[in-house]
Amino acid sequence: DQQVKQNSPSLSVQEGRISILNCDYTNSMFDYFLWYKKYPAEGPTFLISISSIKDKNEDGRFTVFLNKSAKHLSLHIVPSQPGDSAVYFCAASVTWRAGGGADGLTFGKGTHLIIQP
Amino acid sequence: DTGVSQDPRHKITKRGQNVTFRCDPISEHNRLYWYRQTLGQGPEFLTYFQNEAQLEKSRLLSDRFSAERPKGSFSTLEIQRTEQGDSAMYLCASSSWDRGGNQPQHFGDGTRLSIL
Repeated sequence: DQQVKQNSPSLSVQEGRISILNCDYTNSMFDYFLWYKKYPAEGPTFLISISSIKDKNEDGRFTVFLNKSAKHLSLHIVPSQPGDSAVYFCAASVTWRAGGGADGLTFGKGTHLIIQP
Repeated sequence: DTGVSQDPRHKITKRGQNVTFRCDPISEHNRLYWYRQTLGQGPEFLTYFQNEAQLEKSRLLSDRFSAERPKGSFSTLEIQRTEQGDSAMYLCASSSWDRGGNQPQHFGDGTRLSIL
């Protein structure tokens, strides 16, 4: 069973418009969420993260929103640029602050974002 | 700023052979992770180290898989008696960790393994 789901395999957006990528999760223990961007033949590149104590985090053109009650997060890219064309992965983890142990990241299957000129 | 480095980038081997991959993390990072990624899927967590201690290894895919980080710096992932199903991209990531909170993992470009 997939604990992190990205239900849109692909998304096409016009250059200059807003891109919205969605992610749903089922494990209520997840408390740290990240978005990664991946080009072919490269490893995932970290974009932005959010802790479960927040509902929004912003970094330049990228904003991540977290809705804990709906177990849903989204990544907004404004404005979209041609270089944003890539596969975007949503990831989540459980962190144990006291003991220091933590599991690895659980990833969705990715959404291929295509920015049209 | 040196990122996570993985070697080799590509490995082609015959079924039944042993393979070993190396990962050099970002120098100030004390945590190192291994993942496997197959076509059309996101990376799948395998194991991780904090310094030289392997804190999670139950997610390794079988007893043919093992990882080491002997001096708390670079790490190796070994697959013994390779099978066709082991063909995948093997990714390494590193992060820093302290009691102050979460830090993101940064990934290398991976080693692509092809089993003939």
